[in-house]
Amino acid sequence: DAGVTQSPTHLIKTRGQQVTLRCSPKSGHDTVSWYQQALGQGPQFIFQYYEEEERQRGNFPDRFSGHQFPNYSSELNVNALLLGDSALYLCASSFLDRVAKNIQYFGAGTRLSVL
Amino acid sequence: AQTVTQSQPEMSVQEAETVTLSCTYDTSENNYYLFWYKQPPSRQMILVIRQEAYKQQNATENRFSVNFQKAAKSFSLKISDSQLGDTAMYFCAWRYSGAGSYQLTFGKGTKLSVIP
Repeated sequence: DAGVTQSPTHLIKTRGQQVTLRCSPKSGHDTVSWYQQALGQGPQFIFQYYEEEERQRGNFPDRFSGHQFPNYSSELNVNALLLGDSALYLCASSFLDRVAKNIQYFGAGTRLSVL
Repeated sequence: AQTVTQSQPEMSVQEAETVTLSCTYDTSENNYYLFWYKQPPSRQMILVIRQEAYKQQNATENRFSVNFQKAAKSFSLKISDSQLGDTAMYFCAWRYSGAGSYQLTFGKGTKLSVIP
């Protein structure tokens, strides 16, 4: 049973560029959340997708957008990259039901460096 | 806004000994979950243990146990019989258990080193 998979593992971009990160949820999961983890910090919530819609959003600008596909996989897009966007981007998947209680399982992340 | 505070940036413990990591949180909510996640150098965040706020009994998972003090808003993690594989960053996290809120709020983490 594959866990949460993210691609690519590393990415280098320059300021002003756009980037797309990808996430495949754990088998049987229907919800995907994205987090940004700056160096030396805990992860910060960006947004969550369920049934192909953004269900909740954290305190991130509109430059951060996402998408969920019918197979539950998800993309995170960041436009007009800033140096401060350099971070580890984590994807977490969960199954929305009362028993599973929406426990989030994480992937290994994508390390984004903006030069 | 909810906040989670981990006051110990780094800790070390001898192999086979016991260590306790501290976490406090601030919330006005009554129903919530608390979690401890482990992040080894491989970067993947792994769920260690979780506690539901309405349960008075402290959660236990093998060598890992918590001391949940709801009134004090404290949620510490005890690791018994520490092993080299326990070396990692440990994050405390909070989540509202009601409908409509799904985000985890994390602390800044504690770096734990297990010394042979």
